[in-house]
Amino acid sequence: QVHLVQSGAEVKKPGASVKVSCKASGYTFNTYGIIWVRQAPGQGLEWMGWISVYNGETNYAQKLQGRVTLTTDTSTSTAYMELRSLRSDDTAVYYCTRVGPSGDGFDYWGQGTLVTVST
Amino acid sequence: QSALTQPRSVSGSPGQSVTISCTGTSSDVGGYNYVSWYQQHPGKAPKLMIYHVSKRPSGVPDRFSGSKSGNTASLTISGLQAEDEADYYCCSYAGTYTRVFGGGTKVTVL
Repeated sequence: QVHLVQSGAEVKKPGASVKVSCKASGYTFNTYGIIWVRQAPGQGLEWMGWISVYNGETNYAQKLQGRVTLTTDTSTSTAYMELRSLRSDDTAVYYCTRVGPSGDGFDYWGQGTLVTVST
Repeated sequence: QSALTQPRSVSGSPGQSVTISCTGTSSDVGGYNYVSWYQQHPGKAPKLMIYHVSKRPSGVPDRFSGSKSGNTASLTISGLQAEDEADYYCCSYAGTYTRVFGGGTKVTVL
């Protein structure tokens, strides 16, 4: 069965960077795109960006352009999200999720990674 | 990329039907049949309930249905059950491989 397993919680200081991993199993990794979504405490879901595992093409939310980078390592079936110049309002649970076979709907989700930005 | 507009909350008694609206623009909801809906219980990851406006993944009860008219998509839960109490989010394709979520709706079962 399909699993997406994310790395553990992180605590970072303002201005630092964080890199969250998402290891996929149970399917052919380069067949489906990966999307990253975040959720600030008590808030809604926010789409961060998309990466084609097949060819590495990416697209990012405008508000995060220049601070976020999505990558994949097909040799380990792992996706990564790096966020730089962290601010307190980046404190959130970060999720990776797979774009389903039809090209719509995110059918499998990681368990979430809490990133806390605090002095 | 403005968030899609959803009501903050809806409620209903067990067995009743509730409908959640999701309003966007012709650049997202109205422009594509790529609207999906997610259920999220507290402390859990979201779960896909509807994709391509009205398709249900296997395992999702047929009490959940989706539709779209113009720039507004809707999720209807028929025969409301206690376990349906959760937050629900819509999501739409917005062109050039971007997506946008709605602000979320809390469904309360009275």
